[in-house]
Formats: sequence, C-alpha cells, structure tokens
Amino acid sequence: ILNVEQSPQSLHVQEGDSTNFTCSFPSSNFYALHWYRWETAKSPEALFVMTLNGDEKKKGRISATLNTKEGYSYLYIKGSQPEDSATYLCAFLRDNYGQNFVFGPGTRLSVLP
Amino acid sequence: DAGVIQSPRHEVTEMGQEVTLRCKPISGHNSLFWYRQTMMRGLELLIYFNNNVPIDDSGMPEDRFSAKMPNASFSTLKIQPSEPRDSAVYFCASREAGASSTDTQYFGPGTRLTVL
Repeated sequence: ILNVEQSPQSLHVQEGDSTNFTCSFPSSNFYALHWYRWETAKSPEALFVMTLNGDEKKKGRISATLNTKEGYSYLYIKGSQPEDSATYLCAFLRDNYGQNFVFGPGTRLSVLP
Repeated sequence: DAGVIQSPRHEVTEMGQEVTLRCKPISGHNSLFWYRQTMMRGLELLIYFNNNVPIDDSGMPEDRFSAKMPNASFSTLKIQPSEPRDSAVYFCASREAGASSTDTQYFGPGTRLTVL
C-alpha cells in the first residue's frame, strides 16, 4: 500500500501570515506529484505539477518545492488571505502511464481575517 | 467548455436500493476516473478508464459496485444494493488522451450520496 501523508492535518493562521505544509511520499519509483486546491463545496483544482528533483513552482503567493530523493514536497503560501482557505491535496503518481494517483489526506487551511 | 459534469449532485436513498451516478467527461478527454471521498479515508481512486476500457478497478470496494463507460462521453457508477457505509461524495475526473505525468485531472462537482 502506498502511503502519501500530509501534515499538518489542519492549520489556522491569521491574515497576512505566511505558512507552509508538507506532503510525504515514497521516494522510489517517482513519476510526478500534483498539488490540488480544494475549496469547500467545490471540486479539487490543479495547482502545480512537480516532476523533477529540486523543482520549484510558483503561482502568485503560492509556491511549491520538491525533493524526490527524500520523498517530500512543501507548499508555501506567503501573506495568507482569507480566500486561501481550502484543503490542499497532494497526489502521487504511481505509474508511468500518468493515470494512477494516490491522494494524500489533505491539509485544511483556515485563514482568519 | 462546461467541464466535467456529474449527476445527480445529491442523492438520498434507502438501504438496499440501487444507485446510479453519472459522469460526462470533458470533450476530448479519453481518461476517466471515479473517486470516493470520505472523512475516514480521504479521496480514494475507485476505478479508471482509458479509451472507454477499465484499466484498474482494484479500488472498487466490493461486488456491489460496478462502473461502465459505454462511450467516450458517458460513464456510470452503480451501487446495488446500497448500504449506509456507501454514504460519501463521489467524484468523477477526466484527463486528456495520451496524457503524460504532467497533465492534470479535471474534477467534476461530485455527487453527495446519503444512504439511510
């Protein structure tokens, strides 16, 4: 069984704070790691796709890094805003056909105004 | 593009009844995925199709669950008979044909199923 873990499970921060959370995955047979943002009552939306060790991706105030050798990815949010409140999911791609994903349990972020 | 379409959005049924969930993938996407989201287990992959063919159904919990994709624009997930423990949100997602590891899935809005 593949374990994809995320920590912390939930996080409360004040508006303007910067924050980060972690996705841990098996370091062997790595193909790709996808980050999704999932707002309440909506469907998950893709944020980043990470494929190479040392990858860094950035979209506005959100960025992500990847370490495939040790099996983790960090997601950073700079200057959190209430609209960043969501669950952030990582998904580990377990085969080379690009089809079989294992999702982590998510980190639920609440940004308080 | 309308995105991935799922119906119904909410379903409440009684134990023992048959439930059918429907999904229309994004046009041109040849890979389709069914997921179940519960508090206990998070988002689990149930089954996925490639070019209408089921590739991996190892996530389907038991024989009460079945999925079909009769054509490129339609898929169903059926539970017969339904049980209270099947209550969850069921998501459908699709992906482009010939997608590589860098191509993302696009999720539908989900069907919230409650089995009484």
